[in-house]
Amino acid sequence: SQTIHQWPATLVQPVGSPLSLECTVEGTSNPNLYWYRQAAGRGLQLLFYSVGIGQISSEVPQNLSASRPQDRQFILSSKKLLLSDSGFYLCAWGRRVTEAFFGQGTRLTVV
Amino acid sequence: GDSVTQMEGPVTLSEEAFLTINCTYTATGYPSLFWYVQYPGEGLQLLLKATKADDKGSNKGFEATYRKETTSFHLEKGSVQVSDSAVYFCALSDSGNQFYFGTGTSLTVIP
Repeated sequence: SQTIHQWPATLVQPVGSPLSLECTVEGTSNPNLYWYRQAAGRGLQLLFYSVGIGQISSEVPQNLSASRPQDRQFILSSKKLLLSDSGFYLCAWGRRVTEAFFGQGTRLTVV
Repeated sequence: GDSVTQMEGPVTLSEEAFLTINCTYTATGYPSLFWYVQYPGEGLQLLLKATKADDKGSNKGFEATYRKETTSFHLEKGSVQVSDSAVYFCALSDSGNQFYFGTGTSLTVIP
């Protein structure tokens, strides 16, 4: 069966510090991978999605970037965090026209 | 472009009350429709789905029918329990690689 791992679960970072959130998927190959953000009081916002190694599509211009160095690894990064980057970040994997399976999420607080 | 409009919350109900959470969508093609649930402190879990018009998705007593004529996918449950307290997200997946989510509806069920 497929599983998705996302870490860390919680993170408190100062403004201006770098960020690296990692997500890995097991039990499947060539998945579509997604990063979503859920800001306080708002819904889910698609940040990035990837259909293959090195292929990243950005939905919203912002202070974040994503990379996919391996087939089942998806990394969300920032060089300098802003206060507005605080939120709940969710990684997900899926196939075309089917459901997305979500990780447990990372609660990021920028102070 | 594709989008999902979801009933705003928060919604507070007494145990055993009837639940309806409205969801309408806009899509150029023939999307698949989903309801996801997010329990406190957790990631999103798929609750139910429907892949074509007139399909009814059901799970854990929840139901939603894909209505193409009204572009709706309302979530219903005949008798809610305290354990149903969560945030519910309506979503659609088009023929590409993306999922579009509503803003979420927070449900609190009181004993």
